[in-house]
Amino acid sequence: GAGVSQSPRYKVTKRGQDVALRCDPISGHVSLYWYRQALGQGPEFLTYFNYEAQQDKSGLPNDRFSAERPEGSISTLTIQRTEQRDSAMYRCASSRTGSSTDTQYFGPGTRLTVL
Amino acid sequence: GQQVMQIPQYQHVQEGEDFTTYCNSSTTLSNIQWYKQRPGGHPVFLIQLVKSGEVKKQKRLTFQFGEAKKNSSLHITATQTTDVGTYFCAVGSNYKLTFGKGTLLTVNP
Repeated sequence: GAGVSQSPRYKVTKRGQDVALRCDPISGHVSLYWYRQALGQGPEFLTYFNYEAQQDKSGLPNDRFSAERPEGSISTLTIQRTEQRDSAMYRCASSRTGSSTDTQYFGPGTRLTVL
Repeated sequence: GQQVMQIPQYQHVQEGEDFTTYCNSSTTLSNIQWYKQRPGGHPVFLIQLVKSGEVKKQKRLTFQFGEAKKNSSLHITATQTTDVGTYFCAVGSNYKLTFGKGTLLTVNP
């Protein structure tokens, strides 16, 4: 079946603008994760959903970042009043369950550039 | 959360040479996962190790989990140009993955 999809694949925005990044997980996957990956680094955890419930948002850098998954499927990561330091690859992953031993499948990511 | 140190940061080899990357922790790990990320691509799951001293093989790739469950290694025998990419170890704790910084492998044909 189809893998995790993300849109847009690239986003260029001006400092101060809001952006919304979309993730469409693998069908039937209960858990959804957002990560941020800087160049030359591993993905860094941002937030996690189990169905529609946001179980952990401890990795969100500050209150300009928020995420939702209202119907337990598609998720949106929103960054308000973007800053240049927000520039990074934002990756979404999904897994069948929320177990730590369950495989996470990553999407292609959204490359965000804040000018 | 659990932290992992990964070495080396970079490794350049001639095609046909072997390659090893190491993942180390100061604390006992419940499990260790390995991912491969091709240039311009996304992390792709390779394998998971959960048992002390566990060794798993996938063709030319050999994965080991230390007896004390504090370290792990990925060894590639006779590298090929298709092995190029960044190899990450990651620790699964509850639901989140904590990744190492990765080892970038380049292969000279």
